[in-house]
Amino acid sequence: DGGITQSPKYLFRKEGQNVTLSCEQNLNHDAMYWYRQDPGQGLRLIYYSQIVNDFQKGDIAEGYSVSREKKESFPLTVTSAQKNPTAFYLCASSISGWANQPQHFGDGTRLSIL
Amino acid sequence: DAKTTQPPSMDCAEGRAANLPCNHSTISGNEYVYWYRQIHSQGPQYIIHGLKNNETNEMASLIITEDRKSSTLILPHATLRDTAVYYCIALGMDSSYKLIFGSGTRLLVRP
Repeated sequence: DGGITQSPKYLFRKEGQNVTLSCEQNLNHDAMYWYRQDPGQGLRLIYYSQIVNDFQKGDIAEGYSVSREKKESFPLTVTSAQKNPTAFYLCASSISGWANQPQHFGDGTRLSIL
Repeated sequence: DAKTTQPPSMDCAEGRAANLPCNHSTISGNEYVYWYRQIHSQGPQYIIHGLKNNETNEMASLIITEDRKSSTLILPHATLRDTAVYYCIALGMDSSYKLIFGSGTRLLVRP
């Protein structure tokens, strides 16, 4: 089945450690996105990519990094510079970055600090 | 993007239609109305979107008023699995990459 796969479902980070969250899609979508959701809150955009080898910062990019070397993959690294990383991380993709194309989401990765 | 206003909670009986309203009185001509839902601890699920005309798909119908200042999402035969938080979002060409979820409507489908 076509879709967006995020792994792992749960992730624990030690202090000072970088961790990478995986996001893979087989929908042949050009655009991919990373959002963060805190308990009881809406989504906040971390990074987005409208095409391979290009990405842009969202509203809360500090302490995060991404790469887009392949169309189907958009991994997110949470660095040690992100002081409050505990959250639910959601990856999405859309055919293009235009407003008339819906974003479809994966099932998320829940990151916690040990 | 235009601000949207939704009631905080609603309920309906299983098998009946669920009608979820959304007010977007400041929506501009190039902003689409999107509906998503989120079940606890899962990723948001796209439901439907429209610009001016009413839309229908296998999940729901979207009715947009002629002046585009409000819309209604209709789940024609609600099931227990439709219990979720429903978000109405106005998404424009200027910031099409950024979905902004408000507080949404918590829909409870009663057996």
